Amino acid sequence: RKEVEQDPGPFNVPEGATVAFNCTYSNSASQSFFWYRQDCRKEPKLLMSVYSSGNEDGRFTAQLNRASQYISLLIRDSKLSDSATYLCVVTEGDKIIFGKGTRLHILP
Amino acid sequence: DAGVIQSPRHEVTEMGQEVTLRCKPISGHDYLFWYRQTMMRGLELLIYFNNNVPIDDSGMPEDRFSAKMPNASFSTLKIQPSEPRDSAVYFCASRAYYNEQFFGPGTRLTVL
Repeated sequence: RKEVEQDPGPFNVPEGATVAFNCTYSNSASQSFFWYRQDCRKEPKLLMSVYSSGNEDGRFTAQLNRASQYISLLIRDSKLSDSATYLCVVTEGDKIIFGKGTRLHILP
Repeated sequence: DAGVIQSPRHEVTEMGQEVTLRCKPISGHDYLFWYRQTMMRGLELLIYFNNNVPIDDSGMPEDRFSAKMPNASFSTLKIQPSEPRDSAVYFCASRAYYNEQFFGPGTRLTVL
């Protein structure tokens, strides 16, 4: 089983729709969790951290379920500028493990 | 701060040539990471350093790859000899302990 698994997509979604990304991780001892965003031909950048209590930043909501080893990201009222690849990230000690990412295309 | 700086941004070379990629981490960050990204394999961790010391190089593909960090402000990733399958985007990233990781803009390597 891969350490961090994501649906590769692409997700083609009309503007204004709600999009949900899921991610599973294999190591129950994983400590910290993040979502990164990567635009085409650019470097990955931190989108938000993920906490057990769930956290929200504007249109973005992240959730963590430690029992199921599952992380989610919800984007409400999607914009054209949300088109990117979304990477699930898990830390194990010093090590940071990236999923392969889910590509999102927002359609006008 | 200028962020993580990588050079060159693009490199085109012929098979068998030596390639050296350079990275300057953010000042004060004590971790430095080298990644390789391809469509097929995604973002792969090659090696990382803590306080200039290599901690885990299990991701380095083979002996043709080597990385050094002679001081806190500079690291190199060397491929010798290079092969076409090494073509990828190579990212350097740095972070302070348990904080956000910042990536450089990457070096796009093409080996012909």
